Amino acid sequence: DIQMTQSPSSLSASVGDRVVITCQATEDITHHLNWYQQKPGKAPKLLIYDASNLEAGVPSRFSGSGSGTDFVFTINNLQPEDFATYYCQQYDNLRRTFGPGTRVDIK
Amino acid sequence: QVQLAESGGGVVQPGTSLRLSCAASGFIFSHYGMHWVRQAPGKGLEWVAVIWYDGITKFYADSMRGRFTISRDNSRNTVYLEINNLRTEDTAVYFCARWGGSAIVEKIDHWGQGTLVIVSS
Repeated sequence: DIQMTQSPSSLSASVGDRVVITCQATEDITHHLNWYQQKPGKAPKLLIYDASNLEAGVPSRFSGSGSGTDFVFTINNLQPEDFATYYCQQYDNLRRTFGPGTRVDIK
Repeated sequence: QVQLAESGGGVVQPGTSLRLSCAASGFIFSHYGMHWVRQAPGKGLEWVAVIWYDGITKFYADSMRGRFTISRDNSRNTVYLEINNLRTEDTAVYFCARWGGSAIVEKIDHWGQGTLVIVSS
């Protein structure tokens, strides 16, 4: 299976901050990467698909970029409702895999 | 609207089997592939399996092959996950989710709320 890593594993930030999370794959996955947000006790929510496409209804402060093995997820102007855990997920391989997650909490 | 409702979880003993169900509504179920994803308490998301829209093609995470079986009944708009020889490490919330997008651009665009499986003697 393709393994995914995320950095950092957790971070503390303030409302209004810019948050950057990286995701790395163990092999080239072209642009076959999605980003999800999960809040405690809730199902994940799709934010970004195909590395850089914003899912319908998702605020534009969320963005994604990258290709190959290295990807970046950015939240501009962090809002109170953005404190959550974020996961990347590859679908290049028929056996999909998730990254370990990045927890974003309040500074 | 799209709705996915899992059921079948509970407290089970090690070595037994369990079948989880996920009832879908609000979309043409037979047109979409479906995933199962699990999350152990306090841990991250772990992809389990996917089944194509027609129920023929299936793939499993390497660590799930052999004990896990995904299936579907398009006449009942339901996807299933059977787990055999349950182990304590199978304790998790099990989510079903829809394979949205296309065959080229895949996205897991709708999720159920999950069903909790606790494996304990």
